[in-house]
Amino acid sequence: GEDVEQSLFLSVREGDSSVINCTYTDSSSTYLYWYKQEPGAGLQLLTYIFSNMDMKQDQRLTVLLNKKDKHLSLRIADTQTGDSAIYFCAESTNGGATNKLIFGTGTLLAVQP
Amino acid sequence: ETGVTQTPRHLVMGMTNKKSLKCEQHLGHNAMYWYKQSAKKPLELMFVYSLEERVENNSVPSRFSPECPNSSHLFLHLHTLQPEDSALYLCASSLEGVGTQYFGPGTRLTVL
Repeated sequence: GEDVEQSLFLSVREGDSSVINCTYTDSSSTYLYWYKQEPGAGLQLLTYIFSNMDMKQDQRLTVLLNKKDKHLSLRIADTQTGDSAIYFCAESTNGGATNKLIFGTGTLLAVQP
Repeated sequence: ETGVTQTPRHLVMGMTNKKSLKCEQHLGHNAMYWYKQSAKKPLELMFVYSLEERVENNSVPSRFSPECPNSSHLFLHLHTLQPEDSALYLCASSLEGVGTQYFGPGTRLTVL
């Protein structure tokens, strides 16, 4: 079945790079997403990558996709305390009239000053 | 307002109450979603509406009743809830057939 897995927790120092990893199972996924959730807030779309791409860069964010291994990663350069949040990986599956998103359990990123 | 808004942001209700959650999107989308987010569980998709018709209902108990009167508004009517229904309820919207979903801030529901 469809499953998205992430590690639960990552701690980094301010200024370092953070790498959050995700594995998924549906090889027919068309898009893969990263969302950020700050305490008490909804999910904020950070970035996404189309399944025929290997890499996408957007300012401090770099997304790498290894389709063969079904592995997705999000690298945050020069991590700041404001980046502390839960990061969710999601894969898009073709659910008929609408695309379904299957979410991972989220990775809590803690940035130490 | 822009984006996806949800009201109320916080709600406390007893098990015999009836209440409704409201979601409104200002993005010109035509598909809307309700999700439930509980502690230590993945986000659970509850309902999907596309072009104002319900296209998915993921085995949600009948004490949750969705309503989509038009493509901009989505409601979740609640009655005789249980304490285990306490969670963050998130609304999202997208263009039909396109995966990118945009989320509202959520309603934090507590059932006593």
